[in-house]
Amino acid sequence: EPEVTQTPSHQVTQMGQEVILRCVPISNHLYFYWYRQILGQKVEFLVSFYNNEISEKSEIFDDQFSVERPDGSNFTLKIRSTKLEDSAMYFCASRGDISGNTIYFGEGSWLTVV
Amino acid sequence: ELKVEQNPLFLSMQEGKNYTIYCNYSTTSDRLYWYRQDPGKSLESLFVLLSNGAVKQEGRLMASLDTKARLSTLHITAAVHDLSATYFCAVDKGSRLTFGEGTQLTVNP
Repeated sequence: EPEVTQTPSHQVTQMGQEVILRCVPISNHLYFYWYRQILGQKVEFLVSFYNNEISEKSEIFDDQFSVERPDGSNFTLKIRSTKLEDSAMYFCASRGDISGNTIYFGEGSWLTVV
Repeated sequence: ELKVEQNPLFLSMQEGKNYTIYCNYSTTSDRLYWYRQDPGKSLESLFVLLSNGAVKQEGRLMASLDTKARLSTLHITAAVHDLSATYFCAVDKGSRLTFGEGTQLTVNP
């Protein structure tokens, strides 16, 4: 079964450092997402991406965050200057079209900011 | 702002019993998802409900959607220990999913 893959699975970084989280969405999918989940809390939307541009972003997705699809397969989330409160599990997701197909989530990248 | 509320948030039940998890949401939407999450793991898609009156069943789980009432239910029949996990509903609106708080289900032998 096709799957969304994410790297790294776990990263520890110092406050103020830049972090790049990588995702390979399912081939032929057109819509890409980043969500995050702080430990013990619900899953929160960060950003959606379609046709090489951001289609929607949440209030969490401020200027320290950016996304990019540098080639035909990768989809990255960059956090420019990490804060302690950025510690969370970050999930990448993708879906084929907007008509209601399942949204598939990757295994997540656990980010710890110290 | 779309709000999604699940209840209960914690559910401890005996094996063999039935129970229902409720998901209420505040604005109109025709698409709703149910996911399962095991501790430290990703979100596993259980059901995609696309229209009013939709009902889907997989094994001991059955999900339904009433868009007029803005309510979805996840019914568990004859629970088994393997169903212990956190269950999230998520409403699809615009370009995003808005998740409920999750229901942490524990099935005791």
